[in-house]
Amino acid sequence: DIQMTQSPSSLSASVGDRVTITCRASQSISHFLNWYQQQPGKAPRLLIHSASTLQSGVPSRFSGSVSGTHFTLTISSLQPEDFATYYCQQSYIALWTFGPGTKVEIK
Amino acid sequence: QVQLVQSGAEVKKPGASVKVSCKTSGYTFINYSINWVRQVPGQGLEWMGWVSPYRGDTSHSPKFQGRLIMTTDTSTTTAYLDLSNLRSDDTAVYYCARDMTAATFDHWGQGTLVTVSS
Repeated sequence: DIQMTQSPSSLSASVGDRVTITCRASQSISHFLNWYQQQPGKAPRLLIHSASTLQSGVPSRFSGSVSGTHFTLTISSLQPEDFATYYCQQSYIALWTFGPGTKVEIK
Repeated sequence: QVQLVQSGAEVKKPGASVKVSCKTSGYTFINYSINWVRQVPGQGLEWMGWVSPYRGDTSHSPKFQGRLIMTTDTSTTTAYLDLSNLRSDDTAVYYCARDMTAATFDHWGQGTLVTVSS
């Protein structure tokens, strides 16, 4: 199985801050990496697919990038509704695996 | 608009089975696989398996071998997850999710809490 790791596991930030979350795969997954946002008590929401493609309807302050097996989700200017947990997920080889999550909290 | 609406919360005893439904609307049901993902309270997301409404093909995580059955009913555009021999560590919120392509889940149900307790 492909193992996914995320860092940090949590972070505190203020509205307007630039936030970066990283995700690493245990082996090469090309660009087959998705990012999801989950607010408390709600289902996950697809933000980014194929490492860097913004899902329809997602604000442009969210972006994704890849370098080798190192993936990054960036929120350019944190908004109040962005305080949530973010998960990466590899879609390269079944079984599909998620990272452990990064919780973004209000400073 | 695309919608996935799941059945309500369940409480089951250890050893019992649970069947969760996922009623879909707003798109052509047979064109997209449905995946099942669960989340133990306070923990991360775990992929369980997928089912294709087109041919009924399924694939699941080896972790659920022998306990998990996923089906669809094309007449009602509904997907079902059937998990048997429940244990306390199966207590979780179970989500269905549409696979838009290549294991990318673009629409999710609201989740169904299954509690396993004696």
